[in-house]
Order: sequence, then structure tokens, then C-alpha cells
Amino acid sequence: EVQLVESGGGLVQPGRSMKLSCAASGFTFNNYDMAWVCQAPKKGLEWVATISYDGSSTYYRDSVKGRFTISRDNAKSTLYLQMDSLRSEDTATYYCASHTMGTPFDYWGQGVMVTVSS
Amino acid sequence: EIVLTQSPTTMAASPGEKVTLTCRASSSVSYMHWYQQRSGTSPKLWIYETSKLASGVPNRFSGSGSGTSYSLTINSMETEDAATYYCQQGSSYPPTFGAGTKLELK
Repeated sequence: EVQLVESGGGLVQPGRSMKLSCAASGFTFNNYDMAWVCQAPKKGLEWVATISYDGSSTYYRDSVKGRFTISRDNAKSTLYLQMDSLRSEDTATYYCASHTMGTPFDYWGQGVMVTVSS
Repeated sequence: EIVLTQSPTTMAASPGEKVTLTCRASSSVSYMHWYQQRSGTSPKLWIYETSKLASGVPNRFSGSGSGTSYSLTINSMETEDAATYYCQQGSSYPPTFGAGTKLELK
């Protein structure tokens, strides 16, 4: 059974950093491109970033370019999202998902909440 | 960026009723994906490449469309179908989602 378990969320002040993790199991992680998708409270879904199976290619939505970094450790079957210079508008639940650009988001984690507030 | 507009925003349907949700794209896309999100849970892939049902999805669901107009249809509404449904396009960068249609049980 595919499992994606996010961790690392919580309350953080504007301008500070936070790193999210997503532990994968139940599939061959290093064969899959992966992504982060966010959902602000009571709002819709928004793609954040995607990374290729080997980490050689990354893609970001414009609003997070230069602030967020997606990475992965295939030896640990773990996906990461380093979030710097956080803003109040980054407040959301962040989901990791299996995703290759141009294809659907197949499997989703349960999500982790990030609140950016002073 | 392609904007996806879903309608209606909210609707209620009675058990057994036929339901159609629509998604319109600001420019033509090759296909549409749909996700179901029940309250308090993470989204699930529901329909992919316009008309293919994801694993475990009941066959009372169907998808259709082309170009800028797509739809998700439930042949006969059931209690468990109450959820928010999102469309998503991936044929143009960046991938974008619609704002969702909340489907409630009447």
C-alpha cells in the first residue's frame, strides 16, 4: 500500500524558515517524480513544486521561486520542502504527492499544516 | 497560466439524482483530471485523462469533454459522493486547479 506521511509543520513567524518532510513507502520511491501541493484554509488546491525522480530537475510556481526548495533523498525515500522567507500567504496545509509534469497527482499524503503568523 | 472555472460553486443533490459538474478552461487543454476531497481528508485522484476512472472509483462516475469544456457526471447520487470535486489541467505549464465544486446531499 502506498503511504506518504508528511511532517515538520507548525507555527512560524513571518520571514523565518521551515522544512517539511514526506516519508514514502509501499512503492519504489526513486522511480517517481514527486510534488508538493498546498491548500490555504477553506480554499482550493495549488501546485507548489515538482522534482524529478533523480532530483536533476525541479519546477516551482512563480510565487515561491527563490524562497522554497524541493529536494529528495532516495536512500531514505523522503521528499523535502525547505521554505525560507515565509509570508502569511504561505499559511496552508501542504500535501506531498506523486506527480510527473503533465500527468495527474496520483497519490497524496495526509497533509501537514503550516501557519505563518507573528 | 490556464485558469479553470468550475460550476456550480456549490450544489445539493438527492440520492438517485443525476449530477453534472463542469470545468471550463481559459485556453484549450488536451485533457482534464478530477479529484475528490471529502471533508477533513486529503484529495484523491478520481478521474484522469478526461474519462478514465481511478482505481476503486464506482462506475456511476464518468468524465467527458474536450478543448475548453469538461464535465464530471454522477449517474445516480449516493450518500458517499458528498465531497468537493476539483478539476486540474496538466497539459500546459504550470499545472493548475479549479476552485472546486462542493457537492452536498439534499
